[in-house]
Parts: sequence; C-alpha cells; structure tokens
Amino acid sequence: GESVGLHLPTLSVQEGDNSIINCAYSNSASDYFIWYKQESGKGPQFIIDIRSNMDKRQGQRVTVLLNKTVKHLSLQIAATQPGDSAVYFCAEVTQGGSEKLVFGKGTKLTVNP
Amino acid sequence: GAGVSQSPRYKVAKRGQDVALRCDPISGHVSLFWYQQALGQGPEFLTYFQNEAQLDKSGLPSDRFFAERPEGSVSTLKIQRTQQEDSAVYLCASSSDRRSTDTQYFGPGTRLTVL
Repeated sequence: GESVGLHLPTLSVQEGDNSIINCAYSNSASDYFIWYKQESGKGPQFIIDIRSNMDKRQGQRVTVLLNKTVKHLSLQIAATQPGDSAVYFCAEVTQGGSEKLVFGKGTKLTVNP
Repeated sequence: GAGVSQSPRYKVAKRGQDVALRCDPISGHVSLFWYQQALGQGPEFLTYFQNEAQLDKSGLPSDRFFAERPEGSVSTLKIQRTQQEDSAVYLCASSSDRRSTDTQYFGPGTRLTVL
C-alpha cells in the first residue's frame, strides 16, 4: 500500500509567475515561524521568518503571511525562477520550551522554464 | 565563512552495526541541534545542546541513540545496533545564541542506509 508522507504536495508554475505555498501549523502557542527551502541533497536553507505579533513580512521576492486565527502560514514568491525549484517547509517554534523547530509537511515547487 | 559541515555525507551500515555521525557547527555557535529526516518528510527534532549541555533529548527515538558535545563545539550522534528503520538523513543545525528566534543554519546532512 501507499506510505503516508512519500508523496509531497506539489506546485508547478511557469517561470515568471508568482507562487503561493501554504502551511497549516499545529501549535496555537507557537510564536515564531520560519520558511526553509531544501534542494535535493542539501540541508534546509533559511528563507524568511515572522514572529507571532506580525501578520506579514516581506523580503527580497518573498512575502510571508501569518493568520493566527486559523493557524495558517503562507509563502509568496514573486517572479518565480527555475532556481526556486525545491521543497519548501514551514517550521514553528514555541517560546519557553526547547528552541527546536517543528516542521510541517513540505511542498515541492517545480518551476518550468 | 564556513557553514555547518557533517561527515560522512553517506554511510551504509549492516543491521546491527554501530555508527557515529559527526557535526562541525559554525564557529562560535552556542546552540546545536540534531534532526532526522525520513524520505519525503520534514526534519524531526532529535536533540539539542547549549554549549556542552544537552538540554533536550526528547526526540531521540530509543536508547540506541546517543549524542554528545563534550567541548561545546563538535558533536557526534551515535546509533548503536542499527535497524532498517534508522535509515534516514541526519541533519545538524547550529545557531549563534540561545534565543528561540536565532536562525538555525543546517548542514548538508548524513544519509544513513541500513541494509
């Protein structure tokens, strides 16, 4: 039978389009959130972060939106490029406990030239 | 500057063998983390060090897993009597301070395959 977790959600976009990747986080007490990008054979790479007292933060070509009411996080990538192709993970941190990251399910982004 | 490095990059072990995985964090980083990443899934926390002190080992799946950081820099994750379910990528991350909002920088990982 099929193993849970082997098939990542996928998003396929054309080069130059905007991409939106969504994430539902688990702990309402989490107060810090990070998006990581992971290319094949590499470790996760930090993209952007946001604290729970904010609902939006912008970086270079990326924007993170946080909706604490429904425990939802999104990553928007503007003018997506082939080099953006990777698996994207959201992660949450709960203050007061260990500083460990709790990762969500990843999304595989494929950018077609 | 140099990032987090891990060795070996690939390790094949026969079931029952012991393995040792090494992590060299970014120089001066206080916090060090180990994560396990199964195929197609996100990394899962194993253990956390602040300098040489192991402050959280709640993610270690069994007593076959042991981690140390004796001098507060290099860390070793040891797995005794490896089992097939231990096959995964083992990631190490470090951060500069002990605040929860300090960015964790990841190494490339060690891919462990247990036959």
